[in-house]
Amino acid sequence: ILNVEQSPQSLHVQEGDSTNFTCSFPSSNFYALHWYRWETAKSPEALFVMTLNGDEKKKGRISATLNTKEGYSYLYIKGSQPEDSATYLCACPDAGANNLFFGTGTRLTVIP
Amino acid sequence: DAGVIQSPRHEVTEMGQEVTLRCKPISGHDYLFWYRQTMMRGLELLIYFNNNVPIDDSGMPEDRFSAKMPNASFSTLKIQPSEPRDSAVYFCASSLSSGAIYGYTFGSGTRLTVV
Repeated sequence: ILNVEQSPQSLHVQEGDSTNFTCSFPSSNFYALHWYRWETAKSPEALFVMTLNGDEKKKGRISATLNTKEGYSYLYIKGSQPEDSATYLCACPDAGANNLFFGTGTRLTVIP
Repeated sequence: DAGVIQSPRHEVTEMGQEVTLRCKPISGHDYLFWYRQTMMRGLELLIYFNNNVPIDDSGMPEDRFSAKMPNASFSTLKIQPSEPRDSAVYFCASSLSSGAIYGYTFGSGTRLTVV
């Protein structure tokens, strides 16, 4: 079992504000890190897969960075919109395994 | 491809009844995963299959839970007998080769309520 932790647990921001949250994972035997976006009543959708230290990925107003040496990843949302409201999950595979271990997520609410 | 298809979307059953959840993975994906989502624990892995063979079922909570994958396009998760504490959303996901690199595609989930 891999211990993947996310903070904060929940977050409320005003429309137009930028925000970020954190995923922490064991730095030893790192393999990959996944970010998912999970809207209420829907299924989680993949955002990013990151494998290299220093990786930065971007999709529209959402971006992510990765630090494998210290064991964390940040997800940034620039100019939050109400449609960004969702739970953001990160996950890591155990080295040599094919299954992902998920954090409990950060629930983001963007207030219009 | 229609994605990962789960059925039913919602299931309400009485305690003690048998419940069967169904999943059709994406064609060509060789890994299939069953997860359970609860408020307390988030997404928990129950079992996963590779090429229809169960690889790790250590997450299956009790003998009341069983899962099968008779062919590459179909899997079931069965609970017999069901109990109120089994109430949760059950997700099926599939992946191409190693989910560790490619990530998963999730189904829409089955919301199970045991009364």
